[in-house]
Amino acid sequence: GESVGLHLPTLSVQEGDNSIINCAYSNSASDYFIWYKQESGKGPQFIIDIRSNMDKRQGQRVTVLLNKTVKHLSLQIAATQPGDSAVYFCAETYTGRRALTFGSGTRLQVQP
Amino acid sequence: GAGVSQSPRYKVAKRGQDVALRCDPISGHVSLFWYQQALGQGPEFLTYFQNEAQLDKSGLPSDRFFAERPEGSVSTLKIQRTQQEDSAVYLCASSLEAGTTEAFFGQGTRLTVV
Repeated sequence: GESVGLHLPTLSVQEGDNSIINCAYSNSASDYFIWYKQESGKGPQFIIDIRSNMDKRQGQRVTVLLNKTVKHLSLQIAATQPGDSAVYFCAETYTGRRALTFGSGTRLQVQP
Repeated sequence: GAGVSQSPRYKVAKRGQDVALRCDPISGHVSLFWYQQALGQGPEFLTYFQNEAQLDKSGLPSDRFFAERPEGSVSTLKIQRTQQEDSAVYLCASSLEAGTTEAFFGQGTRLTVV
């Protein structure tokens, strides 16, 4: 029911620590993956993406790892800051499909 | 504008009422998407436009939902005879090229059906 959806998995970290957010996907045909950050009352904001021909991609303070064998995606945030507090979603799609399929989200709470 | 703009930000509708939600994409963006986000869940795809052509409407939950983008810019999502289960945030996103690469989302319209 609706109350179940409210209980997002939550990751609580101390400011300055590294954070790792995980995501499992089920469609073996998926070949493009995106991580989004969503703050309260706002739309999802693009963080980083990766295609299936890569297993790692780095951005500014963020790294995405892709393990196609076990269909697992992770987002690593270095030196986590209070401004990183938000809900993080992974999303997937495949060549020829324009829609994204979003995961259920993880809430990141950064303690000062 | 600088980003995707949606209006209204909040809409309260009585059950059975028709509603219209507006999306102004980033100027020049070819692709436009509508997603529905229930409380505490990830967004779910509703429909996709490439310019004025609605190329994918597989996510529309019923024939009460209708979307249009007649001139290839502004889009309207219309919900007829609203039901309580339609209560959600409706998100619009646009991208410069055909496809989903780096789509930019608006802030959404929160629809509450009472």
